Amino acid sequence: SQQGEEDPQALSIQEGENATMNCSYKTSINNLQWYRQNSGRGLVHLILIRSNEREKHSGRLRVTLDTSKKSSSLLITASRAADTASYFCATEEYALNFGKGTSLLVTP
Amino acid sequence: ETGVTQTPRHLVMGMTNKKSLKCEQHLGHNAMYWYKQSAKKPLELMFVYNFKEQTENNSVPSRFSPECPNSSHLFLHLHTLQPEDSALYLCASSRRAQGQGANTGELFFGEGSRLTVL
Repeated sequence: SQQGEEDPQALSIQEGENATMNCSYKTSINNLQWYRQNSGRGLVHLILIRSNEREKHSGRLRVTLDTSKKSSSLLITASRAADTASYFCATEEYALNFGKGTSLLVTP
Repeated sequence: ETGVTQTPRHLVMGMTNKKSLKCEQHLGHNAMYWYKQSAKKPLELMFVYNFKEQTENNSVPSRFSPECPNSSHLFLHLHTLQPEDSALYLCASSRRAQGQGANTGELFFGEGSRLTVL
């Protein structure tokens, strides 16, 4: 089944820095979603970007989508220790399919 | 609080036991899902229920048996599991349009049931 692949697998930054995570996928999509998961908890929806959108913002989050390259990026600006979590992109093939995620560590 | 409640949060069972995981959503959604999350592997979609009808069974072994008695409740019945079935089992729900090709929409997840099979 189609699923996104996040890159890098792990990312470690200091508070105040920006964090960028990338997602690549294989087939055509109607939309792409980003989710966040704190350790051992459920996933929480962050943002949905439609295939006809190129960029979307939500607070400190900025998501881009390039359908010609079949890729998306999630940028978290001015990161905080509380942003430490795993981040997943999800694409749809009847239901949402997720990748392995990017594990983000933000140190004070 | 996401509006999706899973019980139990932790479960330890032997390979010969029979147990069930329960999921309840209070969001008025019409679609519910089971996902399995194992270490170092992508989230695996197991089952999809749309308007109480099972519409997807992602090649899941028969030792996992889902049940959806109404659009608010979803169960995962477990029997004769293997140690490799130890994982975090996540339930999710969404408001999904009817018809083929309808998008899932935003998923709301429960906190998961951590299963350990001895």
